[in-house]
Amino acid sequence: DVKVTQSSRYLVKRTGEKVFLECVQDMDHENMFWYRQDPGLGLRLIYFSYDVKMKEKGDIPEGYSVSREKKERFSLILESASTNQTSMYLCASIGASRRNYNEQFFGPGTRLTVL
Amino acid sequence: GNSVTQMEGPVTLSEEAFLTINCTYTATGYPSLFWYVQYPGEGLQLLLKATKADDKGSNKGFEATYRKETTSFHLEKGSVQVSDSAVYFCALGSSNTGKLIFGQGTTLQVKP
Repeated sequence: DVKVTQSSRYLVKRTGEKVFLECVQDMDHENMFWYRQDPGLGLRLIYFSYDVKMKEKGDIPEGYSVSREKKERFSLILESASTNQTSMYLCASIGASRRNYNEQFFGPGTRLTVL
Repeated sequence: GNSVTQMEGPVTLSEEAFLTINCTYTATGYPSLFWYVQYPGEGLQLLLKATKADDKGSNKGFEATYRKETTSFHLEKGSVQVSDSAVYFCALGSSNTGKLIFGQGTTLQVKP
């Protein structure tokens, strides 16, 4: 089974802190995604990556950056956390051969609270 | 652009009731359609999918049919259980990017 893990289930940070959210997948997938989930808004795509060192902006990239130095790891960075970034963050991955089928595999999520 | 609209929740049903969660979409081309489920405290899991018009996806007693003429992909289950309580997301996939567009999610609560 594909396994996507995220470094923390719950995280509490203060305004202005730099925050790193880590995601690791163990199935050699080329494509990885970061979403945030907010009530009534569903999932919104922040950034995605098709390969190592490649990144593309999603629908809501402002205030975020990403890093993909290794194929299995995709990091989401909040350069200076703000209270409006309090949310559930979900990572997902998919292999290139299945990209046309869009079957993404999700991690358990990180619930981030910014005080 | 592409979009997905789901019926608003929460939906509260008694055990063994019939479930319908409506989903309609707007898209160019021929997207794939998905239902994902999120159980409390967990990430999303793929529940079922359909990749072309008139396809029926099914899993765990849930079904959804890809209706191109009505641009819909409604989720149904004949008899819900308490364990089906979760948030359900309808999603649309573009053909060659791997990206998904999600609806806003519908919370289902099933009472004994």
